[in-house]
Amino acid sequence: QSALTQPASVSGSPGQSITISCTGTSSDVGAYNYVSWYQQHPGKAPKLMIYNVSNRPSGVSNRFSGSKSGNTASLTISGLQAEDEADYYCISYTGSSSPWVFGGGTKLTVL
Amino acid sequence: EVQLVESGGGLVQPGGSLRLSCAASGFTFSTYWMHWVRQPPGKGLVWVSRINSDGSTINYADSVRGRFTISRDNAKNTLYLQVNSLRAEDTAVYHCARDGYNWGGFDSWGQGTLVTVSS
Repeated sequence: QSALTQPASVSGSPGQSITISCTGTSSDVGAYNYVSWYQQHPGKAPKLMIYNVSNRPSGVSNRFSGSKSGNTASLTISGLQAEDEADYYCISYTGSSSPWVFGGGTKLTVL
Repeated sequence: EVQLVESGGGLVQPGGSLRLSCAASGFTFSTYWMHWVRQPPGKGLVWVSRINSDGSTINYADSVRGRFTISRDNAKNTLYLQVNSLRAEDTAVYHCARDGYNWGGFDSWGQGTLVTVSS
């Protein structure tokens, strides 16, 4: 199972909005709504930001939103803040014998 | 408060074995699917394995199938990963994670335990 495709890096200025894409296939992202997004600061454990494509866990800022179109899921962060600078990962269910696959990760830089 | 605490990592020679543990507290462990996810130094997250609540359904990544074994002891609130025939490319921080949304997302993670495979 190949990793989902994410841009290696994105950047934005404070207050701006950015979108991180996560491209898979019709066998994973396109087939299931089991896509989630994680934020990871250096040396820290990942933190769930979005589950089931577009749902925010309790306590996650409403500046974070998720969506999906076809084989591509997206994470949008609005009103960028310095604390949003981190690595972001998507993961999707694949339905195969190796049922989960992560994206390669995206480094977000807040300029 | 939900807590997941991994242990059992260390330095091991190629071909060696370790047993990783993940002690869970603050929730009803026996009702959740659990996962292992690893992260090689300086690289991204990689899904490794999952087990359902009673241990009857288990899956592995192709890269570890036949070498790693996931298990759980619900009486001890502990998840395990037996890692055998270790290779240099297995060097990583190994995290356990709870599936909190019925496959929708992993809502709790441990800090991880480092496995280093080197001669």
